[in-house]
Amino acid sequence: DTGVSQDPRHKITKRGQNVTFRCDPISEHNRLYWYRQTLGQGPEFLTYFQNEAQLEKSRLLSDRFSAERPKGSFSTLEIQRTEQGDSAMYLCASSLVDGELFFGEGSRLTVL
Amino acid sequence: AQSVTQPDIHITVSEGASLELRCNYSYGATPYLFWYVQSPGQGLQLLLKYFSGDTLVQGIKGFEAEFKRSQSSFNLRKPSVHWSDAAEYFCAVGGSGGYQKVTFGTGTKLQVIP
Repeated sequence: DTGVSQDPRHKITKRGQNVTFRCDPISEHNRLYWYRQTLGQGPEFLTYFQNEAQLEKSRLLSDRFSAERPKGSFSTLEIQRTEQGDSAMYLCASSLVDGELFFGEGSRLTVL
Repeated sequence: AQSVTQPDIHITVSEGASLELRCNYSYGATPYLFWYVQSPGQGLQLLLKYFSGDTLVQGIKGFEAEFKRSQSSFNLRKPSVHWSDAAEYFCAVGGSGGYQKVTFGTGTKLQVIP
């Protein structure tokens, strides 16, 4: 059990560029979650997968955001045409079904 | 829709004093409830969880929480706070089985004074 890992840990980009984050969950976990956290706020739900199926996507998430988990293992979160309002910490977590969430360290996005 | 309310944004306690952080949830069935802690620059760490059974659950670092269905609450307590407990605390609610996401509250920041 090596924990949840996220890459990159920090990304600085210019407005309008695309960025992609990767999450490697704990190997036996079949659920994977993406959250966004801004300063002073709790983690805000973005989307989650059970195996390779995306079960729910937040209605707050614009079409510029897309997530995949192609083989039910790692996941990617892509943000297209980034805006300054996208600056945040993007958190990945994994769990067993009906289990507690184990979080990674997060990927911090700064949009200039 | 499920939701969590943490009414206290910021709490200050003296070291050695007792602590209670409030959490109220909204969920249509029997919830799964969690408390997580986040120290500055650190990831979220699970303190304790309630799935079923005994409504008083024990967690790590001397924390406990009590599930009260009638009040839709899951308050976190600690009898004697240590300076190292200064952090932000998040309550979260999820559901059993099926297609259930986990929703977090906005957090309570705990300051501990000597």
